Amino acid sequence: KQEVTQIPAALSVPEGENLVLNCSFTDSAIYNLQWFRQDPGKGLTSLLLIQSSQREQTSGRLNASLDKSSGRSTLYIAASQPGDSATYLCAVIVNAGNMLTFGGGTRLMVKP
Amino acid sequence: GAVVSQHPSRVICKSGTSVKIECRSLDFQATTMFWYRQFPKQSLMLMATSNEGSKATYEQGVEKDKFLINHASLTLSTLTVTSAHPEDSSFYICSARRPGRKNEKLFFGSGTQLSVL
Repeated sequence: KQEVTQIPAALSVPEGENLVLNCSFTDSAIYNLQWFRQDPGKGLTSLLLIQSSQREQTSGRLNASLDKSSGRSTLYIAASQPGDSATYLCAVIVNAGNMLTFGGGTRLMVKP
Repeated sequence: GAVVSQHPSRVICKSGTSVKIECRSLDFQATTMFWYRQFPKQSLMLMATSNEGSKATYEQGVEKDKFLINHASLTLSTLTVTSAHPEDSSFYICSARRPGRKNEKLFFGSGTQLSVL
């Protein structure tokens, strides 16, 4: 059974710092991996999708990498801003049915 | 981009009542929709997979008689929480996949916060 783990569970940084969020998964046979942002009491916003054949994806200040063989993905946020404060979730799609298995999330607080 | 609409965004009800949550794909037909539940400070957990025209597939530990799923059309899936109790209070989110695009990201509704008094 696929398990997804995110470290750290919570992170507090001053504004302007570059930071890395980690995601690991136990079964490397994935279709793709997706990073989401969730604001309190709100739904999910998809940030980046990495196909199983890709190694990284970039969108603005965000960069996500994928190492399937080691079962790891990282989300790099450059020059963090208070507006980046949210919970970040990674999830893997494990079969053709597109069901997502989510990690526990990292609660990020960026202080002004 | 594809849009998934979820309604209502928030509902407060008395214990014992039933609550229906709707999930609509606005600009595409979704043969498969997923329902997730999220308790405070926890991650999302898949409850069930909703397939148009057939019975939903429930994850282990999810009571299918309590959480009724209907996917009667290609653009609408509903989740009904029957005889809701305070322990059912949670954040419910649906997602949908465009048919024929197995390796594409899923699209999510905005979620429904259910509070059972």
